[in-house]
Amino acid sequence: DTEVTQTPKHLVMGMTNKKSLKCEQHMGHRAMYWYKQKAKKPPELMFVYSYEKLSINESVPSRFSPECPNSSLLNLHLHALQPEDSALYLCASSNRLRDEQFFGPGTRLTVL
Amino acid sequence: GNSVTQMEGPVTLSEEAFLTINCTYTATGYPSLFWYVQYPGEGLQLLLKATKADDKGSNKGFEATYRKETTSFHLEKGSVQVSDSAVYFCALRTMDSNYQLIWGAGTKLIIKP
Repeated sequence: DTEVTQTPKHLVMGMTNKKSLKCEQHMGHRAMYWYKQKAKKPPELMFVYSYEKLSINESVPSRFSPECPNSSLLNLHLHALQPEDSALYLCASSNRLRDEQFFGPGTRLTVL
Repeated sequence: GNSVTQMEGPVTLSEEAFLTINCTYTATGYPSLFWYVQYPGEGLQLLLKATKADDKGSNKGFEATYRKETTSFHLEKGSVQVSDSAVYFCALRTMDSNYQLIWGAGTKLIIKP
């Protein structure tokens, strides 16, 4: 299995909702990443987990809360989002931090 | 600091035309270089990579050569197809960027039949 899966594919939520994005990989990778991508822009790194520990937090607002329950799974919990948070959220994994990253298809998030 | 500069798009070509998308970089140390492709409505896929000077990455008919003397990693393809229409991102990674990817702005490629 050489892919990163993400669910849901699309998500529409209100500003008072709580929702979660899920990312899974079964390649045995020990580094996992969350990115945010606005239209026609490159991805922006949000969080990095290495060996299930948060390694990098790129000053992301606390309304985004990552979680890495095990080495195959990465969640992003969302609460009290703003319309400007609407974007494509991409998950990626790599064998280690220094190795090439494999991306999932993304979750298209719309905040109303 | 580390940065990547790509030619602005969109780039519009006819099918079977020759493609070049320019990418130049600024980096401390010895970066690894990458081209990623994003098809409409999809995530990013690694297209090719090169990890040291004079390396040539290739995949699906695309090629790019790591040129340290000109700090460039231009993407080329001899004969493009409509299915190559996508956004192409050049990126680099170095040890002093904590191995995180530094991205170019992306170049949208449109191939007309």
